[in-house]
Amino acid sequence: DAGITQSPRHKVTETGTPVTLRCHQTENHRYMYWYRQDPGHGLRLIHYSYGVKDTDKGEVSDGYSVSRSKTEDFLLTLESATSSQTSVYFCAISKGTSGGQETQYFGPGTRLLVL
Amino acid sequence: EDKVVQSPLSLVVHEGDTVTLNCSYEVTNFRSLLWYKQEKKAPTFLFMLTSSGIEKKSGRLSSILDKKELFSILNITATQTGDSAIYLCAVPNGGADGLTFGKGTHLIIQP
Repeated sequence: DAGITQSPRHKVTETGTPVTLRCHQTENHRYMYWYRQDPGHGLRLIHYSYGVKDTDKGEVSDGYSVSRSKTEDFLLTLESATSSQTSVYFCAISKGTSGGQETQYFGPGTRLLVL
Repeated sequence: EDKVVQSPLSLVVHEGDTVTLNCSYEVTNFRSLLWYKQEKKAPTFLFMLTSSGIEKKSGRLSSILDKKELFSILNITATQTGDSAIYLCAVPNGGADGLTFGKGTHLIIQP
């Protein structure tokens, strides 16, 4: 257990509405990540953060933004949700000091359905 | 572009069988390869491999890396129904920017 929580755990929303997902960690790890998981695609990186206010894009960042104003919280925002963003979203942390080469630990996930 | 390919994509075996899952990779500046197990929830970490030929073992699970041929295998001996899961292979992208995952192997163990 890496002390990661995600909220909400489930959400149903309508196309065009903004949605914010929250990832919270209790162990002050520097590196945090957002992934989405879809059938046939596996896990894909959306955005990541390497410190407070330091974020960058991953493989599938279009339509998503992130913010990290505190070490413990990493927020993922869908500015205007679309049906293609229906997915399971996982937050992850890396416990090491070298970023992505260290083992990543995952939160419980958020199931998002966009109608 | 980094790539991770897992095979087979699905596998059905009987309890007690031994299974071998495969992961091949193409990545610049290889540093490590990771295996995860995913049941109906978040992926959980199994192994991280960095050196060729050195087996990592945890109970009935073991894994080995071949950096020359660019692949890794995950073995599960004396399978149990609780081993049913999706097994994911991943490699770091480089720097701080996350992992590239394969599509996973969906393993089903029949009683």
